[in-house]
Amino acid sequence: DGGITQSPKYLFRKEGQNVTLSCEQNLNHDAMYWYRQDPGQGLRLIYYSQIVNDFQKGDIAEGYSVSREKKESFPLTVTSAQKNPTAFYLCASGTGLDHNEQFFGPGTRLTVL
Amino acid sequence: KQEVTQIPAALSVPEGENLVLNCSFTDSAIYNLQWFRQDPGKGLTSLLLIQSSQREQTSGRLNASLDKSSGRSTLYIAASQPGDSATYLCAILTGGGNKLTFGTGTQLKVEL
Repeated sequence: DGGITQSPKYLFRKEGQNVTLSCEQNLNHDAMYWYRQDPGQGLRLIYYSQIVNDFQKGDIAEGYSVSREKKESFPLTVTSAQKNPTAFYLCASGTGLDHNEQFFGPGTRLTVL
Repeated sequence: KQEVTQIPAALSVPEGENLVLNCSFTDSAIYNLQWFRQDPGKGLTSLLLIQSSQREQTSGRLNASLDKSSGRSTLYIAASQPGDSATYLCAILTGGGNKLTFGTGTQLKVEL
């Protein structure tokens, strides 16, 4: 059963802590993406990776870090430097080619206590 | 910088009605346009993708059109059903084929 999985579904963090959100895909896609969704705003791109061991900053990368050690996995770390981390985080994957269709996971809701 | 606008922000219609959701964008240099559906607290489901060279795509009761010259796309939903209730998002692919720019969505409610 092909798709994108994200874990956990809900995550609670104390201020000053780093947390890591998991994203795995078995679609054999080269490209993977992290977006953030806030109420009343469109999704915004945090980081993306077109190939293993390479990634690029999106529009709102400050306070976040990523790694891409395997094709299937693209974890996102929300660091203590992210000033307003409470949001819904969505991971996506795509072929990475010119007409790249992106497919999304179920999301992780992060709440900072 | 690409900006994407969706109108209306919210829409409530009776079951069975045909309806049109609108999406406008400022930069016509796009790779493609995707329409997504999002249910509350869930991820995005891809509905239709229109390549920059295409003018429309159809899937079941859904039809999406693209007019690059005017910077507009419409999503037509025929014979709406309560199960169509969700937020519909329009997204434009730019930035070397990697950057999706999203609108803020239209929240649709189809009532019995």
